[in-house]
Amino acid sequence: DIVMTQTPLSSPVTLGQPASISCRSSQSLVHSDGNTYLSWLQQRPGQPPRLLIYKISNRFSGVPDRFSGSGAGTDFTLKISRVEAEDVGVYYCMQATQFPRSFGQGTKLEIK
Amino acid sequence: QVQLVESGGGVVQPGGSLRLSCAASGFTFSSYGMHWVRQAPGKGLEWVAFIRYDGSNKYYADSVKGRFTISRDNSKNTLYLQMNSLRAEDTAVYYCAKGGAPQAGTGFDYWGQGTLVTVSS
Repeated sequence: DIVMTQTPLSSPVTLGQPASISCRSSQSLVHSDGNTYLSWLQQRPGQPPRLLIYKISNRFSGVPDRFSGSGAGTDFTLKISRVEAEDVGVYYCMQATQFPRSFGQGTKLEIK
Repeated sequence: QVQLVESGGGVVQPGGSLRLSCAASGFTFSSYGMHWVRQAPGKGLEWVAFIRYDGSNKYYADSVKGRFTISRDNSKNTLYLQMNSLRAEDTAVYYCAKGGAPQAGTGFDYWGQGTLVTVSS
């Protein structure tokens, strides 16, 4: 099974400043079809999760362009260029390359 | 617009059973695989099960294999999760989530609001 490890687990950020979350997988997420199925999800307080980024760097419909994803193989990063108040919540990386699907532990983004 | 509405949660004793439902609308349900994901109180997300668009393949987390069964009724646009031999550690909010098109990578693009299952004596 693939284990997803996120760092940091908590990230206090000043409004308007950038934020970055790292995610590492225990094995390569490159699928036999050539795609890398690494996604990022956001969960605001009291809400279900929401898809932000899929296949490493593709923003899902309606996601602001201040969110970006990068990486390859086993190391991935989510960046928020300028944090806004509505970005508070928990962020999860997730792999969909193989079953069982697996999520990172979550990174709590809070405002300083 | 895509809507997923879970129901069937509640309080059940250890060893008991419960069936969750997820009513889907706003997309062609019979064309997409579907997932169940759970979240224990104050904890992170745990993937539970997946069923292919036509029900031909099913996958489970080790933690629920042999106790939970995922199924679907495409004529009713409804996903199910039959949960047997429930344990305290199954206490969680259970979400259904829509799968993505093959190779699109957009799985988990829509989620329901969740239904709470509490296993307690």
